[in-house]
Amino acid sequence: DVVMTQSPLSLPVTLGQPASISCRSSRSLVSSDGNTYLNWFQQRPGQSPRRLIYKVSNRDSGVPDRFSGSGSGTDFTLSISRVEAEDVGFYFCMQGTHWPRTFGQGTEVEIK
Amino acid sequence: EVQLVESGGGLVRPGGSLRLSCAASTFTFSTFAMSWVRQAPGKGLEWVVYIKQDGSDKYYVDSVKGRFTVSRDNVKNTLYLQMSSLRVEDTAVYYCAAGTGAFWGQGTLVTVSS
Repeated sequence: DVVMTQSPLSLPVTLGQPASISCRSSRSLVSSDGNTYLNWFQQRPGQSPRRLIYKVSNRDSGVPDRFSGSGSGTDFTLSISRVEAEDVGFYFCMQGTHWPRTFGQGTEVEIK
Repeated sequence: EVQLVESGGGLVRPGGSLRLSCAASTFTFSTFAMSWVRQAPGKGLEWVVYIKQDGSDKYYVDSVKGRFTVSRDNVKNTLYLQMSSLRVEDTAVYYCAAGTGAFWGQGTLVTVSS
């Protein structure tokens, strides 16, 4: 199975400051069709997960533009340009290239 | 707004069975592949199973192979997960998700305990 490793696992941030989360895969996520299926999800306390980013860098509808995704191959990053209070929660990366699909362990974002 | 509503969770003894349902509305269910994803209490997300739009392809995580069966009814717009030979480690909130996680339900809690 492809192992997805996130860092850090805990991220205390100051409101208005930038933040970034790293996600590394144990195998390349470039699919045979040329696409890279790496998604980012947000899970606020007590809520279901919500997809923020798909295929590395495509923002879902309604996702604020302060969220962005980047990376290639095995190294990926979720960036928040200016953290807001509503961004508190867990963030997970997930690869959709190989079976079984696998998630990172999750990164908890909290306000300092 | 897309709606996915899971049901069927509950308390079951080890070795028992349970059938989960996920009712979809306000989107064209038959055009989306679907998955079940679970989250053990206080833990991260684990993808469990995927089923293609027409039900022709299914992929399971190894830990549930031979015990869980996914199916769908594109007329009733409903996804199912038949779970048997349940183990304590299957205890989790089970979410249905559309596509590659574009839409999620609210989840249903399955507790396996004696």
